Amino acid sequence: KAGVTQTPRYLIKTRGQQVTLSCSPISGHRSVSWYQQTPGQGLQFLFEYFSETQRNKGNFPGRFSGRQFSNSRSEMNVSTLELGDSALYLCASSLETSRVREQYFGPGTRLTVT
Amino acid sequence: DQQVKQNSPSLSVQEGRISILNCDYTNSMFDYFLWYKKYPAEGPTFLISISSIKDKNEDGRFTVFLNKSAKHLSLHIVPSQPGDSAVYFCAASAINAGNMLTFGGGTRLMVKP
Repeated sequence: KAGVTQTPRYLIKTRGQQVTLSCSPISGHRSVSWYQQTPGQGLQFLFEYFSETQRNKGNFPGRFSGRQFSNSRSEMNVSTLELGDSALYLCASSLETSRVREQYFGPGTRLTVT
Repeated sequence: DQQVKQNSPSLSVQEGRISILNCDYTNSMFDYFLWYKKYPAEGPTFLISISSIKDKNEDGRFTVFLNKSAKHLSLHIVPSQPGDSAVYFCAASAINAGNMLTFGGGTRLMVKP
């Protein structure tokens, strides 16, 4: 089974621009979550999508948004980029059962804002 | 307010010996705990998990222990191998929070040959 895939793997943007990152979950997984990893803040939860609906949201400004499509693929968007948005953005997918709550991560997208 | 803490930023162990990584949490709503291993420039890799109804779970060389009264969990790796050298993250999930994971800050494990 193919793992979680994320595109692009690396991205360089300028302050004020916007960016869209893409994530394809493991086949059969309907839940997709996004995380931001920075040296200062560690791994922080951004939001989770299930059946095209945002189910949970972390403590991030409204510039961070996402969506999920009917095939469970997800995108996240960051508008008006700031230098502090430079980070590794990770997508994770999981089965939706009460007994299995493991999440499987993709390789991440390294975003650099200059 | 860090709800999940890994107080040791790094740990060095000799090959063949036991590695013990520790994690503390404060939120009583956490009922599921996971350990991930991460190499640089890669996403975290799931290792092992434990539900709060158990106090131990084993998978090969990896064992996770949960002490609910102390709000403490630990990951034991026996025997440690040089390929285990990575950053290990502890994560917690609450029953009412979907799939949201709260991560600790990570512990860098170095296994010396």
